[in-house]
Amino acid sequence: ETGVTQSPTHLIKTRGQQVTLRCSSQSGHNTVSWYQQALGQGPQFIFQYYREEENGRGNFPPRFSGLQFPNYSSELNVNALELDDSALYLCASSLGGVKYQETQYFGPGTRLLVL
Amino acid sequence: AQSVTQLGSHVSVSEGALVLLRCNYSSSVPPYLFWYVQYPNQGLQLLLKYTTGATLVKGINGFEAEFKKSETSFHLTKPSAHMSDAAEYFCAVARNFGNEKLTFGTGTRLTIIP
Repeated sequence: ETGVTQSPTHLIKTRGQQVTLRCSSQSGHNTVSWYQQALGQGPQFIFQYYREEENGRGNFPPRFSGLQFPNYSSELNVNALELDDSALYLCASSLGGVKYQETQYFGPGTRLLVL
Repeated sequence: AQSVTQLGSHVSVSEGALVLLRCNYSSSVPPYLFWYVQYPNQGLQLLLKYTTGATLVKGINGFEAEFKKSETSFHLTKPSAHMSDAAEYFCAVARNFGNEKLTFGTGTRLTIIP
């Protein structure tokens, strides 16, 4: 059983550029959640995808968007990057669709630096 | 809405001493509660979780936490600290239905003094 993987591990972009981050969910999981962790802070929920549909969104602007593919892997896209987007982006996968909270398993994260 | 408050952004304990990391929650519904650990330059690893049933929850690496509804707390403890416990610890809360988002606290950095 493979765990959650993310790519790339590190990324440097300049303000105004666009970025795509990728996440492969754990085997058997159909739900992916994305979190942003700014330096010295706890992770903040961005959005969640369940069976290729967005299933909840946090307080992030529309320039943060995502996709989930039939194999349940996922992408996070951020347009018009701002300096404050510099953070560790965490992906978590879980088995959704049941009436109780399922454990979310986190990947190692992608560290994004916006200059 | 759910929220979590972690008291103490930094905690230092001597090796072999008791570890106590504090977490208080606010939730409009019976909460699901979690503790995650984050080692430097790594993602989050689940230590333990409370869903329903027994209020004393045992996790990995000798950690445990007790859900106290009357105090709205879910403090994390370990009887004897080890050097390898040095890390950032996050308490999180979720609603009890579906695959809900996690709301995290701001974290507590645990330092172990040799």
